This record gives sequence, C-alpha cells and structure tokens, in this order.
Amino acid sequence: GENVEQHPSTLSVQEGDSAVIKCTYSDSASNYFPWYKQELGKRPQLIIDIRSNVGEKKDQRIAVTLNKTAKHFSLHITETQPEDSAVYFCAAKRTGGFKTIFGAGTRLFVKA
Amino acid sequence: DGGITQSPKYLFRKEGQNVTLSCEQNLNHDAMYWYRQDPGQGLRLIYYSQIVNDFQKGDIAEGYSVSREKKESFPLTVTSAQKNPTAFYLCASSTDRSQPQHFGDGTRLSIL
Repeated sequence: GENVEQHPSTLSVQEGDSAVIKCTYSDSASNYFPWYKQELGKRPQLIIDIRSNVGEKKDQRIAVTLNKTAKHFSLHITETQPEDSAVYFCAAKRTGGFKTIFGAGTRLFVKA
Repeated sequence: DGGITQSPKYLFRKEGQNVTLSCEQNLNHDAMYWYRQDPGQGLRLIYYSQIVNDFQKGDIAEGYSVSREKKESFPLTVTSAQKNPTAFYLCASSTDRSQPQHFGDGTRLSIL
C-alpha cells in the first residue's frame, strides 16, 4: 500500500547548525508534500509545503526539496534555534484525493 | 489558530463504554478529518468528510463511528468494539480536500 518513510527518527543538533530530514514516498501519483511541526502536547502546524511542479521552495530558514524521479523529498532547517525543537512530520498526497499519508515523524533536539 | 476546537482535552473510557470526542470548526471549511496518533507513528486516518451528511472510512475505521449533521461539527465516537483506544486523537479541516489541513489541539483518550 501507500506509505511514507521518514529518517532519521531522532536528530540532535547544536544551535546554529543545520538539520535535514528526509522522506521517501511510494505512490508515484503523489503531487503534494506538506511538512508539519508538532511541539509537545500541541497540534501539528503546517510549516511549509511543496507541489510537484517545483523542485525547491524556501521560507526564511526552512526549505524543502523534491526529487520526483527518486520519490524523495527533504526538509532543511538552517541556523537552528532551541525553539525549533519539536517533532516534524512529512506527508504525501494526491491532489484531489482525500488521504494524506504521514511519515512516522522525526524528533529534533536543538541544544543551546 | 483557534478555528478548530476539540473537547475534552483528556478523556477516560471504561470497559464496554462508548465515548464521543467533539470537533467544532468556525473556518467555514467543507472537509473534516479524524486522525489517530500513537507514539512513534505518524497520523493515521480514521474517517473523512467532504461535505455535510457525507463521510468515508479511512485506514483504521473499525471500532469508530462519525456523523456530519452540520458543516462545523464532526464528532467521533469510539465504540466498545475498539479494543485498543488509548491514543491521541486529532481533528483537522480544510477548505476542500485539495487544500492544506489545519489541526485542533487533540484529545488524549485513556482506558480506566
């Protein structure tokens, strides 16, 4: 069936370093890829998304890249700060479909 | 954003009991969703509703039921048939199924 694999499951970085989270999806018809940030005990919040007609999208310190051929997409956070510490989820979806497939999440720790 | 309200925040279920989780949104969104979140796993879709009086099963609908009598409300009932109901339940909504989803703060359900 459809699935999204996410790596690593845990990531620890020093404040100011970069963090990279990678996802692979199985459904080649997926064309919408959102990323969510979930702080402890809180709701997931959409932080960035990308559609399959672009290869990269950037929003301040956050960027997402997409390789449709390899069915890979990645989240890049530069100049990490302690408030970036959270669980990050990638997801994949077909436009027009109702099901969003989520990765298992990456717990990011940013050490001050 | 306070547009999606889930209640209660914590809920305890006794053996053989049905419990209902509330989800209300004032965003005028047509689509609403229920997800289950277990530790170390991504979000899994329980039910989806695209419009009033319409809903579809997700990947793990067994032991759950929903209704969509009003646009703004999408309650989830966890029935006694759900043998492992302990989890964090998230409600989400979107303008339509092609748009990003916005989440509520969740309800944590535990077994007494």
